[in-house]
Amino acid sequence: GQQVMQIPQYQHVQEGEDFTTYCNSSTTLSNIQWYKQRPGGHPVFLIQLVKSGEVKKQKRLTFQFGEAKKNSSLHITATQTTDVGTYFCAGPMDSSYKLIFGSGTRLLVRP
Amino acid sequence: DADVTQTPRNRITKTGKRIMLECSQTKGHDRMYWYRQDPGLGLQLIYYSFDVKDINKGEISDGYSVSRQAQAKFSLSLESAIPNQTALYFCATSDGFGTGELFFGEGSRLTVL
Repeated sequence: GQQVMQIPQYQHVQEGEDFTTYCNSSTTLSNIQWYKQRPGGHPVFLIQLVKSGEVKKQKRLTFQFGEAKKNSSLHITATQTTDVGTYFCAGPMDSSYKLIFGSGTRLLVRP
Repeated sequence: DADVTQTPRNRITKTGKRIMLECSQTKGHDRMYWYRQDPGLGLQLIYYSFDVKDINKGEISDGYSVSRQAQAKFSLSLESAIPNQTALYFCATSDGFGTGELFFGEGSRLTVL
């Protein structure tokens, strides 16, 4: 069946270092969404990418959607302790409106 | 107050018991979802409803049932709970336009002994 995979599973960085998480789908996606879940919290929407090759920035966060619309990445420049959490990508299942979530990348930041 | 409210927030029960998790929303969204989260496995879709008369199975519906009592209310039931249903359950809503962003509740942590 359709799968959305994320790597790495964990990343432990020193504050100020950069961080990247990668998302790969087994099928072409019409769009991809990214969510952040703080420890003990619930997922919160960050952004949606729709166009092939699209790049969007939110302050220190840069989101990319691959040319083939099968992969995406989230890059954080100069991590801060407030970036701690698990980052999930999610894409529509079988060209429907249901979202399949990746397994997430847990980011830990050493102060 | 939260836009998407889940009750109970925490529940410990025993194998074989019937459990209901409730979700209510004030966002006016037509679409509601139940997800299950296990450590390292992301979020898996259990059931979803695009309006009051529409109920659909997700990726992992076995052992679960749902009821959409009104536009604002969507409940998840475990008819006979088993230990491997121990997990964190999230309700979410979205508006009716394409693949809109999901708005999640605070979660319901269920432990089945």
